[in-house]
Amino acid sequence: DQQVKQNSPSLSVQEGRISILNCDYTNSMFDYFLWYKKYPAEGPTFLISISSIKDKNEDGRFTVFLNKSAKHLSLHIVPSQPGDSAVYFCAASNNDMRFGAGTRLTVKP
Amino acid sequence: NAGVTQTPKFRVLKTGQSMTLLCAQDMNHEYMYWYRQDPGMGLRLIHYSVGEGTTAKGEVPDGYNVSRLKKQNFLLGLESAAPSQTSVYFCASSYNRPNQPQHFGDGTRLSIL
Repeated sequence: DQQVKQNSPSLSVQEGRISILNCDYTNSMFDYFLWYKKYPAEGPTFLISISSIKDKNEDGRFTVFLNKSAKHLSLHIVPSQPGDSAVYFCAASNNDMRFGAGTRLTVKP
Repeated sequence: NAGVTQTPKFRVLKTGQSMTLLCAQDMNHEYMYWYRQDPGMGLRLIHYSVGEGTTAKGEVPDGYNVSRLKKQNFLLGLESAAPSQTSVYFCASSYNRPNQPQHFGDGTRLSIL
């Protein structure tokens, strides 16, 4: 039972444009949501998070939006850069953390 | 600036063999975790520890054992390896509660033949 789903295995965008990565969850008890970024042969690294009491959190080029009624969160990267090319995992947490399967983002120069 | 270090990075085992994966963190974190990553499945929690001397089961604990004898180390054991345990294993740690950002090691790629 996959409680956190990333339905797009891959996404390709042009440098300078916006990247939007989506994530859906099923468990309404999740109260904290995170995005991790992963390069090949490395472990995931924390990118940005949001508490369930908020609907938006921004950190530089990265913004996470949370829609609790739809059980949906998204990560916006503006402007996208080639160095952003990586696999992005969303995660949701209550007593433990559940991860989505990841979306591979490719930013083309 | 080591963070979380996993040993070994790669290993090939035969079915039925045993081995131990070592995770060490130098951030004085209370919580430590073992995950496995399989294609299309994301990261799944195997076992975790909320402090020295404690362990608990995660989402997929069968076939694995863990020990946390020292705060900085978290060991994952496979007593009798099976091909289904072929995966990439990640160790992570966090300061306290599970919803705090976790710091990950670079993974151990394990193949069971």
